[in-house]
Amino acid sequence: DVVLTQSPLSLPVTLGQPASISCRSSQSLVHSDGNTYLNWFQQRPGQSPRRLFYKVSNRDSGVPDRFSGSGSGTDFTLKISRVEAEDVGVYYCMQGTHWPPVTFGGGTKVEIK
Amino acid sequence: EVQLVESGGGLVQPGESLRLSCAASGFTFSKFWMTWARQAPGKGLEWVATIKEDGSEKYYMDSVEGRFTISRDNAKNSLYLQMNSLRVEDTAVYYCARQRTVDYWGQGILVTVSP
Repeated sequence: DVVLTQSPLSLPVTLGQPASISCRSSQSLVHSDGNTYLNWFQQRPGQSPRRLFYKVSNRDSGVPDRFSGSGSGTDFTLKISRVEAEDVGVYYCMQGTHWPPVTFGGGTKVEIK
Repeated sequence: EVQLVESGGGLVQPGESLRLSCAASGFTFSKFWMTWARQAPGKGLEWVATIKEDGSEKYYMDSVEGRFTISRDNAKNSLYLQMNSLRVEDTAVYYCARQRTVDYWGQGILVTVSP
């Protein structure tokens, strides 16, 4: 199974400052069809997850443009250009290239300093 | 608007069974793969099972293979998860989700397995 390793586990950030989350895969996530099925999800406290990006960098509807997704192969990054209070929560990467099983990273908790 | 509403959770003892349901609306249910995922208390997300649009293909995580059965009724826009021989470690919030690669999630339903 593909292992996704996220870092850091916890990310205290000052409001208005940038934040960056890494997701590294145990093998390349490039599918034979040429796509890379790497998603990013946000889970706010007490809520169900919400998808932010699909196929690495495609932003879902309603996701603020201060969020960006990038990367290729085995290394991926979620960035928040200026953290706002509503961004507090846990962020997960997920791969759907080598399935079953779909696998998730362990999560990164973003909190305000 | 895509809506996924889970029901059927609760408290059961180890070895007992439970059937979860998910009512889907806001999209053409029969055209999408559907997935169950779960989240143990204070833990991360975990994929459980996925079913093809017409129900002809089903995939399970290793630890539930043979105990859980995913199914669907496209006429009723509904997804199901029959959970047998439940274990304490199956305790989690169970989410219904759309697609293999998961775009929309339901609000989740708590399943507690405790002696």
